[in-house]
Amino acid sequence: EVQLVQSGGGLVRPGESVRLSCGASGFTFRNHYMHWVRQSPGKGLEWISFISNSGNQKIYAGSLKGRFTISRDNANNSLFLEITGLRGEDTGVYYCARRLSGPFGLDVWGQGTTVIVS
Amino acid sequence: QSALTQPASLSGSPGQSITISCSGTTRDDHGYNYVSWYQQRPGQAPQLILYDVNSRPSGVSSRFSGSNSGDTASLTISGLQAEDEADYYCASYTTDNLFFGGGTRLIVL
Repeated sequence: EVQLVQSGGGLVRPGESVRLSCGASGFTFRNHYMHWVRQSPGKGLEWISFISNSGNQKIYAGSLKGRFTISRDNANNSLFLEITGLRGEDTGVYYCARRLSGPFGLDVWGQGTTVIVS
Repeated sequence: QSALTQPASLSGSPGQSITISCSGTTRDDHGYNYVSWYQQRPGQAPQLILYDVNSRPSGVSSRFSGSNSGDTASLTISGLQAEDEADYYCASYTTDNLFFGGGTRLIVL
């Protein structure tokens, strides 16, 4: 079964850092670009970042540059997102997602992991 | 470019067709429009229902279709069913950015 299983997150204090993980299975992880998307409570989806299949290219949303770092470990089929200097507005559900090969679409999503900054 | 514009909510009765608009989409340097649509039910992760404006992933009902005109994309759901009640998000991708619409809550009466 193709799936992404997320871990990390939880209750963190303002100013602290958190590292979110996303484990892939059921597909060839190293062939896919990967994305992180978040959703604040009761709000819509907000794109955070993507990383190329090799990890050589990393792009971030303009409004979020500086505190977010995306990375991946193809040997262990894992994707990561580190957030530093956490703020209250970072509270929300964070999703990892797989990009289709070729056309653009995020076709496989993790279950989401909640980060509460308080 | 900022977030794409969608109606906040729409409603329809079972069997009807509804269309959700998404304005503000952009094309890449080759003129290609990478528009995708996602369905999100309460408490669940989003699910891809359309990509490349009007292509459906395997397993997605043919009742979902898409179109694009200028900078506005549209999602049409025909033969509305109770299970279609959800939030719907459009997304527009360029080389170094991905923008989501604000989301449309679809209520099936």
